[in-house]
Amino acid sequence: SQTIHQWPATLVQPVGSPLSLECTVEGTSNPNLYWYRQAAGRGLQLLFYSVGIGQISSEVPQNLSASRPQDRQFILSSKKLLLSDSGFYLCAWSVQRTSGGAIEQYFGPGTRLTVT
Amino acid sequence: QKEVEQNSGPLSVPEGAIASLNCTYSDRGSQSFFWYRQYSGKSPELIMSIYSNGDKEDGRFTAQLNKASQYVSLLIRDSQPSDSATYLCAVNAGGTSYGKLTFGQGTILTVHP
Repeated sequence: SQTIHQWPATLVQPVGSPLSLECTVEGTSNPNLYWYRQAAGRGLQLLFYSVGIGQISSEVPQNLSASRPQDRQFILSSKKLLLSDSGFYLCAWSVQRTSGGAIEQYFGPGTRLTVT
Repeated sequence: QKEVEQNSGPLSVPEGAIASLNCTYSDRGSQSFFWYRQYSGKSPELIMSIYSNGDKEDGRFTAQLNKASQYVSLLIRDSQPSDSATYLCAVNAGGTSYGKLTFGQGTILTVHP
């Protein structure tokens, strides 16, 4: 069965500090990978998605970046955090389908980031 | 702007009742529809997916899709206090959108004993 991991689970960082959040998926190959952010009391906002190694698409311009150095590893980074970067960061995966369209997405446990 | 709208609630129902959650979407080309349950402080959990008009049942859950009216709903029968959570509706446009989902803001459901 497939498993998705995220770490760290919680993080408190000062404004201006760097960020690196990691997500890995087990039990599947060549998944689509997604990074979402959920601000307090808000819906999910798609930040980045990737359909393969080194392929990153950005949905929202911001001071965050993403990378996919390996097939089942997805990293979210920032060089300098802002207060507005606080939130619940969620990684998700889905099976890749050559014809496009949606297949179920499954979420990791998330990282709760507080920028102080 | 493709939008997904949900009543934020809170929706309060007594234990054993039917909870009805509704969602409307703006993109008429949407092809895939999902319901997620999110407990406080936890990540969303997929509970239902529906792709064609009509009803889809899974245990106590029934998803209903009406593409002509652009709405999708979730019915929870015999509601339990453990069903108390935020329910997120998600929609995908299909085609080459690489599985990207647009989420509603979520409906808070409270089931009271």
